[in-house]
Parts: sequence; structure tokens; C-alpha cells
Amino acid sequence: GENVEQHPSTLSVQEGDSAVIKCTYSDSASNYFPWYKQELGKRPQLIIDIRSNVGEKKDQRIAVTLNKTAKHFSLHITETQPEDSAVYFCAAKGSGGSNYKLTFGKGTLLTVNP
Amino acid sequence: KAGVTQTPRYLIKTRGQQVTLSCSPISGHRSVSWYQQTPGQGLQFLFEYFSETQRNKGNFPGRFSGRQFSNSRSEMNVSTLELGDSALYLCASSLEGLAGVKKQYFGPGTRLTVL
Repeated sequence: GENVEQHPSTLSVQEGDSAVIKCTYSDSASNYFPWYKQELGKRPQLIIDIRSNVGEKKDQRIAVTLNKTAKHFSLHITETQPEDSAVYFCAAKGSGGSNYKLTFGKGTLLTVNP
Repeated sequence: KAGVTQTPRYLIKTRGQQVTLSCSPISGHRSVSWYQQTPGQGLQFLFEYFSETQRNKGNFPGRFSGRQFSNSRSEMNVSTLELGDSALYLCASSLEGLAGVKKQYFGPGTRLTVL
């Protein structure tokens, strides 16, 4: 089955700086990679996703890049703000059949200091 | 559209008891996945139901079970509760749309405490 590794587990940045979170996956057939943001005491929220036929996707201050050859993908947040502070989870969707499910990384606690 | 709902939101049980949690997906969504979330472990996949059939299963003991009804609502059951079962249980629903895409939307979770 799919295995997703996420780094770093914690990340602290100053307001206005950029933050980068990286994930690697094991199943070369995985074709969908979402990112979720979970604020304290709240449910995970989908913030951006990318399909395997795309190398990069942007949405305002957030972007995701995918390197299929190396089997890794990254979340980039620019001009960070205190409200970006949360736990971020990456995930990968495995190939069909019994692997047609999302496998999540263990999360990155991002703290943006004012 | 109403989001994913879960009931109850909070639950306190004692060891050895059993518990049933409920999840109502977004209207039109046929896939429901369940996750256990604990500090330090992230989101651990329990199982997924699609059209009343269990399609995927995670590495949890047989004490954890689930089912899905014809209206896509899902329940999960944990029997013979252990202290380590204390966690936030999240369900997520998904619309099986474009090939390769599986956008999951999470419910607020049920916080289970086992004493």
C-alpha cells in the first residue's frame, strides 16, 4: 500500500516569510495529492490539490509542486500570516482497487510568529 | 449544501463498553471514510465505504467495524473499548468525480474519551 512521509514535523517562521513543507510517497501509480489545513479544535480543510499530470498549481499565496520522478510534492506558503498557523497534512491517493483511498502524512505544525 | 455531520460530538465511555458513531455525508456523496486522530499519530485510516460496501480497510483490530446505509449515512462501532481508543474520530465524504481525484470533505469529528 501507499506510504507518505512528511517533513518537517514542526516549522516556525516569522510573519512575512515563506514556509515549505515536503512529502514523499511510495506508490508510483498515485495520481492525486491534496493538502489539508487543520486549525486547533477544527476539522481538516482542503486547501489545495494537484493531479499527477500537473507539475505545479497556485492559489494566491499557496502553491503545490509535484515531482513524479522523485515521488515527492511540496506545499509552499508565501508571505505567511499568523492565521496560517495550523497543522498541515499532505496526502496521496493510491492506485485503484483496494488502494483507492487517501493516505495521509503525519502532519506539520506551522507556527507563524507576528 | 450542508456539510458532513457527525454525531455525537463528544462521548465518554468506560473500558469494556461499546460505542457507535454516526456520519452523514454531503448530499450526493457515496464514499465515506473514517479516520482516527490522536496526538502524534496524525490521521490513521480506519475504513472506507462506497455504495454500502467496505472498499478499503486500515490496520485496526476487528473491534473496529462499520457499515453504510442506502442513503450513504455511515456508522462505525468500536466494541470492548480500551483506553487507547480515546481519540478524535473523523469521517470524510467524497464525490467520486474526475478520474484520479478524490476530494474528501471532513466532518467535525466525534471526541471519544475512554475512562
